[in-house]
Amino acid sequence: DAGVIQSPRHEVTEMGQEVTLRCKPISGHDYLFWYRQTMMRGLELLIYFNNNVPIDDSGMPEDRFSAKMPNASFSTLKIQPSEPRDSAVYFCASSLWPNYGYTFGSGTRLTVV
Amino acid sequence: TQLLEQSPQFLSIQEGENLTVYCNSSSVFSSLQWYRQEPGEGPVLLVTVVTGGEVKKLKRLTFQFGDARKDSSLHITAAQPGDTGLYLCAGGGINTGTASKLTFGTGTRLQVTL
Repeated sequence: DAGVIQSPRHEVTEMGQEVTLRCKPISGHDYLFWYRQTMMRGLELLIYFNNNVPIDDSGMPEDRFSAKMPNASFSTLKIQPSEPRDSAVYFCASSLWPNYGYTFGSGTRLTVV
Repeated sequence: TQLLEQSPQFLSIQEGENLTVYCNSSSVFSSLQWYRQEPGEGPVLLVTVVTGGEVKKLKRLTFQFGDARKDSSLHITAAQPGDTGLYLCAGGGINTGTASKLTFGTGTRLQVTL
């Protein structure tokens, strides 16, 4: 298996633009998680899905953020409109048994100027 | 809110030295996981401990889960430059609704020099 695949690896956009981050989880993993990592706040959980259904989105910063999982092999995280304070590395992770560990993707480094 | 504090935040040592990283919380966790993250990559799972008092060894790394399942430690023997990275502990929630969610610690950045 190729692991968790995220795209793009880097994204630079102007304030106000829409940004879409993509994730392909490991086949057979029922859980998918979106995290954001910054120097100041570390790794923060934004939202997670189980069997394509959003279970907990309490970490989503505000209405500008939305996430979807239309099928078991694809998820998106969208920011509209983007702001400079959204600059961070966004990670997607998947798991079969979350209590025993996640597999993370390589992340998308987002810079909003 | 469950918080995990790691200490030290930064550690710079020479090859061959031993070190211990601590992960502490006032909350009880269903499991405690340790990850290592290298620049430009996502965290990679090293180990999971689920039983209070559990000790696991992976080559030169020894992991321990506290008896009360509130804290953990990672001990590295004879550190090597390849051990350099950001070490993160992460705890699974104790309740049914939170068991799948991992809360990550503040991180310990380790640098091992020749």
